[in-house]
Amino acid sequence: AQKVTQAQTEISVVEKEDVTLDCVYETRDTTYYLFWYKQPPSGELVFLIRRNSFDEQNEISGRYSWNFQKSTSSFNFTITASQVVDSAVYFCALSEDPQGGSEKLVFGKGTKLTVNP
Amino acid sequence: DTGVSQNPRHKITKRGQNVTFRCDPISEHNRLYWYRQTLGQGPEFLTYFQNEAQLEKSRLLSDRFSAERPKGSFSTLEIQRTEQGDSAMYLCASSLNRGKSPLHFGNGTRLTVT
Repeated sequence: AQKVTQAQTEISVVEKEDVTLDCVYETRDTTYYLFWYKQPPSGELVFLIRRNSFDEQNEISGRYSWNFQKSTSSFNFTITASQVVDSAVYFCALSEDPQGGSEKLVFGKGTKLTVNP
Repeated sequence: DTGVSQNPRHKITKRGQNVTFRCDPISEHNRLYWYRQTLGQGPEFLTYFQNEAQLEKSRLLSDRFSAERPKGSFSTLEIQRTEQGDSAMYLCASSLNRGKSPLHFGNGTRLTVT
């Protein structure tokens, strides 16, 4: 069965600090996708990134970066120079790559990030 | 692109009543998904449609739950004989059926069963 573990329930940092959100996943599939979503207080889940299991290159997008390590089944997310607007719950998610193409995501429990001014 | 729209935003109902939620996906998206999120948890998959066909249902979706997407556009999720355990945020998402496009979520409908 697929499983996503986000061990950090809550993290609190001061603005401008760097913060890393951990994500560990389990799957028997050789082909799969990993995602990060942000859920601000408004409730809408905002897509941040999708990586497939064959692409282990790290990715940087502005202040965001992602470290995918297949050897440790981890897909960690780092925010550099955090800002108050980064305060949200962040979810890591996993999907298999079935023939039917379903994007049925398995989510972790989320990490609540609070960035204090 | 006006995003995924869900109505109502909040619904309070008494146990035993029926409720219906509506989701309007992004117009060109042919896939539509329903997820449920309880407090402190990540969203859990309930069901999904490709056009008007309901292709997959989770074991979480009991017989009291029914979802439809009659014309392949908007979708409704109905819960009959609501129970307190049904209290949750119900999220709708849509995507394109090509290139493994990501899910775009709506703001959700928060259901409270008293």
